[in-house]
Amino acid sequence: KQEVTQIPAALSVPEGENLVLNCSFTDSAIYNLQWFRQDPGKGLTSLLLIQSSQREQTSGRLNASLDKSSGRSTLYIAASQPGDSATYLCAVKETSGSRLTFGEGTQLTVNP
Amino acid sequence: NAGVTQTPKFQVLKTGQSMTLQCAQDMNHNSMYWYRQDPGMGLRLIYYSASEGTTDKGEVPNGYNVSRLNKREFSLRLESAAPSQTSVYFCASRIQGPDTQYFGPGTRLTVL
Repeated sequence: KQEVTQIPAALSVPEGENLVLNCSFTDSAIYNLQWFRQDPGKGLTSLLLIQSSQREQTSGRLNASLDKSSGRSTLYIAASQPGDSATYLCAVKETSGSRLTFGEGTQLTVNP
Repeated sequence: NAGVTQTPKFQVLKTGQSMTLQCAQDMNHNSMYWYRQDPGMGLRLIYYSASEGTTDKGEVPNGYNVSRLNKREFSLRLESAAPSQTSVYFCASRIQGPDTQYFGPGTRLTVL
């Protein structure tokens, strides 16, 4: 059974800092991996999706990398801002027709 | 374009009561999903519908039923609510191809 782990569970950084969030998964045979953002009391918003054949995806200040062989993905946030404060979740999909398996998320606080 | 909408936003039930959570999407997506989110457990899939007229069990279907009323609407019913069903419930939809799921704002359910 696929398990997804995100470490740390919570992270607090000063504004302007570059930071890395980690996601690991137990079964490397994945179809794709997604990073989501969840604001308090809100639903999830998809940030980046990496197909199994890709190594990374970028969107603005966000860069997600994927290393299937080691079962790891990282989300890099450059020049963090208070507006980046949220919970970030990663989710893996094992086949094209399977469901997403989510990690529990990393709660990020960016202090002004 | 409202995206994915859910009603109600909040609900308190007594043990044994029944209720239906409503979800609608206006993006013409084929697939729709119901998740629950619990502290320490992450998001878990309850039921999903790959297309109008089909539904399938997810990871935690016990105690729930679903109806895919049409392409837009996917409802989740609790026939006899239990305190273990206290959770935040999210509906999501997905279009083929981009494989990105779009989430509603959630329903916060408390069962006393």
